Formats: sequence, C-alpha cells, structure tokens
Amino acid sequence: GAVVSQHPSWVICKSGTSVKIECRSLDFQATTMFWYRQFPKQSLMLMATSNEGSKATYEQGVEKDKFLINHASLTLSTLTVTSAHPEDSSFYICSARDLSNEKLFFGSGTQLSVL
Amino acid sequence: GESVGLHLPTLSVQEGDNSIINCAYSNSASDYFIWYKQESGKGPQFIIDIRSNMDKRQGQRVTVLLNKTVKHLSLQIAATQPGDSAVYFCAEGLTGTASKLTFGTGTRLQVTL
Repeated sequence: GAVVSQHPSWVICKSGTSVKIECRSLDFQATTMFWYRQFPKQSLMLMATSNEGSKATYEQGVEKDKFLINHASLTLSTLTVTSAHPEDSSFYICSARDLSNEKLFFGSGTQLSVL
Repeated sequence: GESVGLHLPTLSVQEGDNSIINCAYSNSASDYFIWYKQESGKGPQFIIDIRSNMDKRQGQRVTVLLNKTVKHLSLQIAATQPGDSAVYFCAEGLTGTASKLTFGTGTRLQVTL
C-alpha cells in the first residue's frame, strides 16, 4: 500500500522551544493531509485538516497560532508546535489521502516530550 | 472476556479463537467506515473498510459487519494470532468530506497463548 513517512519519530525539547514535524506521502500525491493528537490509552483526536496551497482548517479548541500547519506541496505537510509546554507532550500522527483511491494512510507518529 | 480499563476496553482471547470487536458510531449520516489496527508507538494501520450500501465485507481472516439501524459496527478476526494483539479503532466518515474521519474509543485485543 501507499507509504506516509513522518519525521521525527520522537523528539524531546525544552519548554518554550518550537518543534517541527514533517509528514510526506512517498509514492502518491495528497492534496489533503490530516493531523491528529493521541494521548496514552485514548483515541485519535483530529486537530486540523491541511490543504495544499491554502490555509489549514482547525478543529474546535485547537489553537491556530500554537499549531502551525504548512502544506506547501502535494507530498509534504508540516506541523510546528510553537512555544511548546509540557501539556503539549503527546503522540502526533499525520495521515494523507491518496487521490487515486481516496484511502487514508497514516504516518508512524511522533512522540513529543516537552521538559 | 471484556473488561473496561482506565480508558480502553480490553478483550482477551486465546490464540486460535475468533475475536469480535464492537463499535458504536455516532453519526447516522456517516456512509463510510473503517477499522484500523494500532500497535504500541505506531500509527494506525488500515485493516478493512465498508460503505453504507453493504452490511458485510470480508477480507483475509477479517470480516466487518455493519448494522445501520442501531449504528453498530463489528470486526471479526478468525483464528486470532499473537500478532493480532493491538488496539483496534473503528472510524466513521462521510463521502465527499475529503476523508475526514472520526475515531471511536478503541479496544485493546490481548491474545493469550
């Protein structure tokens, strides 16, 4: 099946710093990518929909200025957690929709730990 | 049997037995449903999907059943293997919304030897 590459797989940062997470569709083009957040033993919560060439659509309660999303090409979306705090520590997962079959494929996730 | 953990319900089955994982979805307008498997520290992995014009779909060792009347989805795994141990999520979506999915709470499947 299609491959979605997400990097880094884990990151530790100091409080107040910013962290960028990349999500790439390796063998297909994706006009739409999604960013999820997952706390331990909980389900995936959609944070935002990333649209190539336009602004991301954020879910209710998600701060746009806190979680910056850029989708500059058909194969790359980035999520930047700005001024990270310990409560931002979580597992972040991206997904991308393959236009050819409309199936959704997920990245391997990024475990963010903010000290 | 089933038990409710801190957040995730857990289903324990013996190797070789069949597993049935249930899910209640919320939006009666949803017309696309998917089951995902998530292993610890990894992203969700697609298992099987079904559209609302069907009530049953079979894959390799897996079957998904859809009951739209009671908004219920189930995943049946035949001859459960240790490698099936993971958390299973159902997800619902609406055709035409660019695959925006809503995930269920998840069920942890533990396969005992």
